[in-house]
Amino acid sequence: EPEVTQTPSHQVTQMGQEVILRCVPISNHLYFYWYRQILGQKVEFLVSFYNNEISEKSEIFDDQFSVERPDGSNFTLKIRSTKLEDSAMYFCASHRLNYGYTFGSGTRLTVV
Amino acid sequence: AQKITQTQPGMFVQEKEAVTLDCTYDTSDPSYGLFWYKQPSSGEMIFLIYQGSYDQQNATEGRYSLNFQKARKSANLVISASQLGDSAMYFCAMRASRKIIFGKGTRLHILP
Repeated sequence: EPEVTQTPSHQVTQMGQEVILRCVPISNHLYFYWYRQILGQKVEFLVSFYNNEISEKSEIFDDQFSVERPDGSNFTLKIRSTKLEDSAMYFCASHRLNYGYTFGSGTRLTVV
Repeated sequence: AQKITQTQPGMFVQEKEAVTLDCTYDTSDPSYGLFWYKQPSSGEMIFLIYQGSYDQQNATEGRYSLNFQKARKSANLVISASQLGDSAMYFCAMRASRKIIFGKGTRLHILP
């Protein structure tokens, strides 16, 4: 069964450093998302991406965040200058219209 | 405003019994979709079942069924013949615009 692949599975970074989280969505999916889940809390929407541009973003997705689909297969989330409160599980998801969203297995980001 | 409510923070169920996880939602959109995801302790988000607002029949996927009561705005997940491997966090979610929003989750414990 097709999967959404996320790398790395765990990343530790120093506060103020830039991180790039990588995702390979399912190949025939058209809509891509990033979500995050702070430990013990609910899953929060960050951003949606369609047709090579952001279609919606949440208040969390401020100027420190950016997304790219650089080569037609990868979908990346960049955090420019990480803060302690960015520590969370980050999930990439993709879907086709009217189908369930498929999530990747997540990247656990720890900012120290 | 769109909202998902899961009122059961935790549940304990004996193995082989059926279990119902509650979910209510609020939306003014006539067209919407409802999802259930399972999150085991390993952290990944596993898609279980989807119900479209115009679907005439309740969705079923193996041991999972969704008890969709549109007038009451509820979309409860029913797991038949529960197994120890069903122990996990369960999230109800709703498609809202170009994203899905999640409830706070219910932690299900299956007892041997």
